Amino acid sequence: AQSVTQPDIHITVSEGASLELRCNYSYGATPYLFWYVQSPGQGLQLLLKYFSGDTLVQGIKGFEAEFKRSQSSFNLRKPSVHWSDAAEYFCAVGGANKYIFGTGTRLKVLA
Amino acid sequence: NAGVMQNPRHLVRRRGQEARLRCSPMKGHSHVYWYRQLPEEGLKFMVYLQKENIIDESGMPKERFSAEFPKEGPSILRIQQVVRGDSAAYFCASSLTTSGSSTDTQYFGPGTRLTVL
Repeated sequence: AQSVTQPDIHITVSEGASLELRCNYSYGATPYLFWYVQSPGQGLQLLLKYFSGDTLVQGIKGFEAEFKRSQSSFNLRKPSVHWSDAAEYFCAVGGANKYIFGTGTRLKVLA
Repeated sequence: NAGVMQNPRHLVRRRGQEARLRCSPMKGHSHVYWYRQLPEEGLKFMVYLQKENIIDESGMPKERFSAEFPKEGPSILRIQQVVRGDSAAYFCASSLTTSGSSTDTQYFGPGTRLTVL
C-alpha cells in the first residue's frame, strides 16, 4: 500500500540550530516527492520537489531534501532555523492523480 | 499571476444544510484536485477532475458529497445535509499536466474551513 510516514509529530529547536525532518514512504513505482509547509490557518506552500536526477534538492527559504531510494526516505533539512520557520511541514508522495500526505510535523522554534 | 483561489475561506453551516465550496485553478491549469484535512491530520485525497470530467473519485464519501468542474467557471465541491463530522478544512489544488513530469506539481489554494454547528 502507498503511504507516507512522518515519525515526528512535534519538533522543537532553538533559533539558529540545524533542522532535519524525517519522511519515509512506501510506493510501488518511482516516486515523485514533495515537501509543503503550512502556517496556522493557511494553505500549503511548496518548499521543494523531487522528480528525477540529482537526489539532493534545493528549495525555497533555505531548505533542502535528499532522496535516498535505499532507505525510502526524503528528509528535509535546514542548516540554521529562523523563528519564522515555525509551522507544520508535510511530506507527500505523488502519483498520476493524487498525492498521499504524511500526518505532518509541527515545528516550534525557541528564541 | 494569481494562484489557486478558493471561496469562501470560512463557512458555517447547521446540520442538514448544504455546503458549496468553490475553487478556481491557476491560470492555464485544467486539472483540479480536492483534499480534506481533518483537525490534527494530514490531507486526504478526495477527487480529481478535469474540465467536465471526474477522473478519480476514489477518496470521495459515497453519499452526500459531489464535485464538478464545468466547462466555464470554478470547480464546486458540494456537501449535502452536512453533519458535524464534515467539519474540516477543504483544500483545492491544480496542476498544469499529469504527464509524469515536473509540470504535474499541484499548487494549493488557501482552503475553505467548514464548521458544522
